[in-house]
Amino acid sequence: DADVTQTPRNRITKTGKRIMLECSQTKGHDRMYWYRQDPGLGLRLIYYSFDVKDINKGEISDGYSVSRQAQAKFSLSLESAIPNQTALYFCATARTSNTGELFFGEGSRLTVL
Amino acid sequence: SQQGEEDPQALSIQEGENATMNCSYKTSINNLQWYRQNSGRGLVHLILIRSNEREKHSGRLRVTLDTSKKSSSLLITASRAADTASYFCATDGTGTASKLTFGTGTRLQVTL
Repeated sequence: DADVTQTPRNRITKTGKRIMLECSQTKGHDRMYWYRQDPGLGLRLIYYSFDVKDINKGEISDGYSVSRQAQAKFSLSLESAIPNQTALYFCATARTSNTGELFFGEGSRLTVL
Repeated sequence: SQQGEEDPQALSIQEGENATMNCSYKTSINNLQWYRQNSGRGLVHLILIRSNEREKHSGRLRVTLDTSKKSSSLLITASRAADTASYFCATDGTGTASKLTFGTGTRLQVTL
């Protein structure tokens, strides 16, 4: 089984719908992140969490919210999806250190029509 | 805005040749990391170089870091078709509490 699991892997939805992307990890890491990838733009940080009680906005948090339900679970919500939120979304985890590598899930491809 | 910019955006070489990718960044860093992404898949960490290091090796990978020029390079020697992927640099800036900022990536195509 994958260490960082994202669900769903693919989702097509309509403008205005609420969408939740879920991430769970078995690595025992405290730090979890949500990134968005768009062609030609690399990865951009949406939200990150250093523990269950710590949630921080990233570079592009507008239109998104998150919930850290447990150390192992970090969910990303789009309250009212819009077409420019069509992207590949990645969850990642890291150990508690200032130089840790990120461990990525396989991604959730979201299409908003 | 992106911290890192990779150059070139795309690179096509033949198997056995060396591939060099460059990354430039804008602000001071704690460390710089390189990641690989196979098409549509999750990123995989390749190598990390700290700001006080100038060169690091891992197998067929060689990374250099020049903090005075705010640049890094990734060299893949004796490339293989399986090296075909996108490669991203990511910087962990000073005072940014372990938030990696990714560049736009280099797409490497290795042909037989």
